[in-house]
Amino acid sequence: DAMVIQNPRYQVTQFGKPVTLSCSQTLNHNVMYWYQQKSSQAPKLLFHYYDKDFNNEADTPDNFQSRRPNTSFCFLDIRSPGLGDAAMYLCATSARPRDTQYFGPGTRLTVL
Amino acid sequence: ILNVEQSPQSLHVQEGDSTNFTCSFPSSNFYALHWYRWETAKSPEALFVMTLNGDEKKKGRISATLNTKEGYSYLYIKGSQPEDSATYLCASSNSNSGYALNFGKGTSLLVTP
Repeated sequence: DAMVIQNPRYQVTQFGKPVTLSCSQTLNHNVMYWYQQKSSQAPKLLFHYYDKDFNNEADTPDNFQSRRPNTSFCFLDIRSPGLGDAAMYLCATSARPRDTQYFGPGTRLTVL
Repeated sequence: ILNVEQSPQSLHVQEGDSTNFTCSFPSSNFYALHWYRWETAKSPEALFVMTLNGDEKKKGRISATLNTKEGYSYLYIKGSQPEDSATYLCASSNSNSGYALNFGKGTSLLVTP
């Protein structure tokens, strides 16, 4: 089945130690998104790629970066994780920016 | 309304009960309203997308309505089953924000036998 895959499902890192979260998709969608969801909060869009065009939300911290080396893969890099970055990170895809988004199962990040 | 608001925050019903949730969203420059179901340890699953005022969508025992003029949507579940237990998220998009989805915090539903 076509799907969105996130690895790992659970990630533990230390305060200040860089971490990379991975997302891949078999849907061949043009758009890929990264969301952050903290406990009891709404998922918050961090950034998205439309093909190779990177779009950063205005309030996304500089600590968060993203790479999309090809259509199928997108990475979220957190350069110096703080305790406040502990959250569920969701990857999603859509054919076009206005279309229904298809989500992966998320990566739960713990920062010690 | 500036943000997407969902109520109630959580709900506990007995198997067979019917239930409904509310999603309020900004009505200006509205483009679409999405409902997702998110079961624990799984991916959020798209249920419905609605764009027109008065839209009604149905999928089995679950249905949704949309009022774009007043900025609200209802999700109904008829005869709840334990497998309906999940968090139900709604998200709206508008033409001013590049059609980005603006999510609510969700309604957590627990259906017990």
